[in-house]
Amino acid sequence: DQQVKQNSPSLSVQEGRISILNCDYTNSMFDYFLWYKKYPAEGPTFLISISSIKDKNEDGRFTVFLNKSAKHLSLHIVPSQPGDSAVYFCAASRLTGGGNKLTFGTGTQLKVEL
Amino acid sequence: EAGVTQFPSHSVIEKGQTVTLRCDPISGHDNLYWYRRVMGKEIKFLLHFVKESKQDESGMPNNRFLAERTGGTYSTLKVQPAELEDSGVYFCASSQARGYGYTFGSGTRLTVV
Repeated sequence: DQQVKQNSPSLSVQEGRISILNCDYTNSMFDYFLWYKKYPAEGPTFLISISSIKDKNEDGRFTVFLNKSAKHLSLHIVPSQPGDSAVYFCAASRLTGGGNKLTFGTGTQLKVEL
Repeated sequence: EAGVTQFPSHSVIEKGQTVTLRCDPISGHDNLYWYRRVMGKEIKFLLHFVKESKQDESGMPNNRFLAERTGGTYSTLKVQPAELEDSGVYFCASSQARGYGYTFGSGTRLTVV
């Protein structure tokens, strides 16, 4: 039973435009959400996170939005750059009672084209 | 500082053989985690060490998998005997404090044929 879902396996965007990556979750106990970026032959690297007490968190070109009622979060990248081409994983956890375990989605391959 | 180091980077073994993966965390990081990604699927939690103690091993698939972290430094993950479905990329990560500042290694790609 997949608790974190990324329904788009791939996304193609032109350089300079906005990239929007989506993620849905089913477990209402999750209270902390993260996005990781992964290049081929490398491990995932942390990008940005958001606590369930917020609905938006911004860091430079990256913004994460959380809609708790819909159990949905999204990552916006503006403007998109060719170096952003990578696999993006959404992850969720429980700060209370969940230890340090992360539950990941299956990833979305983002391709930023010139 | 050196990152999380995993080796080997690739391993191809026959079904029924034994394989041992190694992870060297960032020096001073008490928390060490193992995750696995099977082709095209999600990255799944396997287990979490705090120093040499297993804090959470709820993700270990079965008793063919054995993880150790003697002395609270490097960790090994042994698969014995390996089955075809064990193929995937095994990631190790470490963190200094109980939090989410994980640093992942580059992974070990295991192929069981």
